[in-house]
Amino acid sequence: LAKTTQPISMDSYEGQEVNITCSHNNIATNDYITWYQQFPSQGPRFIIQGYKTKVTNEVASLFIPADRKSSTLSLPRVSLSDTAVYYCLVGVRYNAGNMLTFGGGTRLMVKP
Amino acid sequence: KAGVTQTPRYLIKTRGQQVTLSCSPISGHRSVSWYQQTPGQGLQFLFEYFSETQRNKGNFPGRFSGRQFSNSRSEMNVSTLELGDSALYLCASNERVGQGNTEAFFGQGTRLTVV
Repeated sequence: LAKTTQPISMDSYEGQEVNITCSHNNIATNDYITWYQQFPSQGPRFIIQGYKTKVTNEVASLFIPADRKSSTLSLPRVSLSDTAVYYCLVGVRYNAGNMLTFGGGTRLMVKP
Repeated sequence: KAGVTQTPRYLIKTRGQQVTLSCSPISGHRSVSWYQQTPGQGLQFLFEYFSETQRNKGNFPGRFSGRQFSNSRSEMNVSTLELGDSALYLCASNERVGQGNTEAFFGQGTRLTVV
C-alpha cells in the first residue's frame, strides 16, 4: 500500500475554507484516494474518494493533480463541528482484504 | 438502512480475563474488518472476514482472534488480557464501490478498559 504523509495539525476559523494536502508519492496506477473523518471516541466516517482531477460531494471536494502523487481535501466554510482528525488513505482494494492503513491523520481545529 | 452495530459500547475487564466483542454489519455487506485504536499507536488493522473466512490479518499476537457467522455478524476475542489491550475497538462494514475499491462504514466502537 502506498504510504501517505499529511500535516499533523491545522488550525482554522469558522467560515474559512480549509485545504489539507496528502502526499502519496508511490501511488499505484489502479489506486484510488480516500479521505475519512473521525471525531473523538467515534469510528471514522467516509468523506470522499477519487482517482483523478476533481471530485465534489455535499461535504467536500477532492483535488488530484495529473501525476497523482498528492491530493488535497477541501472543506468549504468550516464550522466548529468540523473539528476532527482527517485521514488520507490510498489503495484499499476490496478483493485484497479491505485493510485500511491509517497514518497519523491531520488534526483540524476550527476556532470561533 | 441500519448502520453498523457494535456491542457492548463499554467494557471493563481484569488482566488475564478474556473478552468477546460483537459487530453486526450493514445488511448485505459480506466483509467485516476490525481495528484497534490507542493514543500511542493510532488506528491499527486487526483482521478482515469475508463470507466467514479470514482474508487478511494485521500484526497482532495470537491472543486476538475473530470469526464471522453465516449472517455476516462478526465477533472478536481477546484472551489473557493485558493492560495494553485497553483501547477503542472498531468494526467496519465494507462495501465494494467503483472499480473494486472499498468504502468502509464504521461502528461506534467498544471501549475496553483492562485493569
